Amino acid sequence: GAGVSQSPSNKVTEKGKDVELRCDPISGHTALYWYRQSLGQGLEFLIYFQGNSAPDKSGLPSDRFSAERTGGSVSTLTIQRTQQEDSAVYLCASSFRGQGPDTQYFGPGTRLTVL
Amino acid sequence: AQSVTQPDIHITVSEGASLELRCNYSYGATPYLFWYVQSPGQGLQLLLKYFSGDTLVQGIKGFEAEFKRSQSSFNLRKPSVHWSDAAEYFCAVFNTNAGKSTFGDGTTLTVKP
Repeated sequence: GAGVSQSPSNKVTEKGKDVELRCDPISGHTALYWYRQSLGQGLEFLIYFQGNSAPDKSGLPSDRFSAERTGGSVSTLTIQRTQQEDSAVYLCASSFRGQGPDTQYFGPGTRLTVL
Repeated sequence: AQSVTQPDIHITVSEGASLELRCNYSYGATPYLFWYVQSPGQGLQLLLKYFSGDTLVQGIKGFEAEFKRSQSSFNLRKPSVHWSDAAEYFCAVFNTNAGKSTFGDGTTLTVKP
């Protein structure tokens, strides 16, 4: 079946512009996660959704970052007034939240470059 | 707080040689552990996971990992490395209370011909 998809695959923007990154999870997956991966770094947790609600927003770096999920499916990560330090690969993952631990399935990522 | 340490930033092995990538975790409860692989320009692909039971788990692409509670380790192994295994490898632990995973910083594997 279809995996997690993300769009766009690449985004180049100018400093100060707003950007929207989209994630389509695997159908039926209840949980959705956003991570950021800077060059040569590991994964930095940003936010996760269970259904449409976000129990944990602790990883969002600043109030310029926001995310929403509608219909328990598609999620959008919005970065306002982008800065050069926002340049990174943004990864989305989804999982089926059951009784036990989640197995997360990752999308290919969106590479964001802020000039 | 939970944490994951991958002590080796970069490892180089010859094709056909054996491989072991180290992962140490810090977590107060029963750990749920994962290994992922990331090829250049790609997302993360799940190699294997440990939830309970047999402490030696088999994964895809000929990889295996052994959970050792006494050492807080979950090292990844492969008997004979192929050139296509060159990639970055991430270890992760899932926190059921927080509902999220913590990842190590990754180990980059280079395979020499």
